[in-house]
Amino acid sequence: GQQLNQSPQSMFIQEGEDVSMNCTSSSIFNTWLWYKQEPGEGPVLLIALYKAGELTSNGRLTAQFGITRKDSFLNISASIPSDVGIYFCAGYTQGGSEKLVFGKGTKLTVNP
Amino acid sequence: GAGVSQSPSNKVTEKGKDVELRCDPISGHTALYWYRQSLGQGLEFLIYFQGNSAPDKSGLPSDRFSAERTGGSVSTLTIQRTQQEDSAVYLCASSPSPTGRNGYTFGSGTRLTVV
Repeated sequence: GQQLNQSPQSMFIQEGEDVSMNCTSSSIFNTWLWYKQEPGEGPVLLIALYKAGELTSNGRLTAQFGITRKDSFLNISASIPSDVGIYFCAGYTQGGSEKLVFGKGTKLTVNP
Repeated sequence: GAGVSQSPSNKVTEKGKDVELRCDPISGHTALYWYRQSLGQGLEFLIYFQGNSAPDKSGLPSDRFSAERTGGSVSTLTIQRTQQEDSAVYLCASSPSPTGRNGYTFGSGTRLTVV
């Protein structure tokens, strides 16, 4: 099936540092979504992107829809302990089926 | 309801027993999805419902897995003759329509442990 390559797999950072993670695909996507999953919970939508080149912020989070439509990145600025969790990228491929394709996730650990 | 509700939240079962996992989607959401998340892994698609029909059940791992949805609302995922490799968190999600551009709303999942 369709694959999204998400990196890095895990990150260990100090509180206050900035974080960057990204997703790439061999196929064109027409929507990119970023989710966060905390322990014992389901993923929660953080940011949705709909147009190539689009840059969207949600508080300390910023995400971009790549110009080629085959990639997206998520940045977290000035990390805090509650940023801990697994971040997933997801998207709908152009002309694809009616289900989201998910990356394998980036596990973020923030040391106080 | 206000969110996607899944029950039970935790289930421990003996190998070989059957289990049923329930999902109650957001009212009015026509699309419903089941995913499986093994320890430390990403989200594995299982099956998708539009209304009561399942246009895509390509992710079901074997014929021991089945799902149904009734009344365009509640869905049940059934695993027969459970095996230890079935241990995982089973997540249900719903959306107002397929390819809903705001993605899915997920439940908190059912953690299944087969001993």
